[in-house]
Amino acid sequence: DIQMTQSPSSLSASVGDRVTITCRASQDISNFLAWYQQKPGKLPELLIYAASTLQSGVPSRFSGSGSGTDFTLTISSLQPEDIATYYCQKYDSGPKTFGQGTKLQIK
Amino acid sequence: EVQLLESGGNLRRPGGSLTLSCAASGFPFRTYAMSWVRQPLGKGLEWVAGISGSGDLPYYADSVKGRFTISRDNSRNTLFLEMNSLRRDDTARYHCVIDPWIQGNLALANVWGQGAPVAVS
Repeated sequence: DIQMTQSPSSLSASVGDRVTITCRASQDISNFLAWYQQKPGKLPELLIYAASTLQSGVPSRFSGSGSGTDFTLTISSLQPEDIATYYCQKYDSGPKTFGQGTKLQIK
Repeated sequence: EVQLLESGGNLRRPGGSLTLSCAASGFPFRTYAMSWVRQPLGKGLEWVAGISGSGDLPYYADSVKGRFTISRDNSRNTLFLEMNSLRRDDTARYHCVIDPWIQGNLALANVWGQGAPVAVS
């Protein structure tokens, strides 16, 4: 099965910082990659699909890029409400594996 | 309103069995693939198993392959997860989720039930 590896596993940044999280697939998944945000005590919410398409209602400071095996989620200017754990997920054929998550904290 | 309601969560001994159900409503159930996703308390999301809309194509995470069976009854709009040979590391809250990727109705990706708690101890 294809493995999804996120880095870093945790990240501390200041309000206004540009934040980048990476996700690597062990095999080519084209652009079948989604990013989810899970705030403490809440259920996950879809941020981005097709590697770079912003889900309706998601702030424009979030963006995604990549294809094949390497993907990134970028927050252009970190806000306090962005404190959450972020997960990538592959959704091509077969298992819809998640990355292990990146916990984002405010410095 | 689109809803997913999981049930069947319980406490089991290692080696035991349990079947979870997920009642779906508010969307054309039979046209959507479905998955089970679990999350141990304080830990990350783990995709567990998925099944095609017709029910003829199941697929599993390596961690549960051979122990868990996913199935669905489209006449009852219900998804199931039969769990056998339970282990302590199967302890988690189990959520059924809609796989919206083929149909492209991405709003369904944010529909999660509250989940069914499974404890193996």
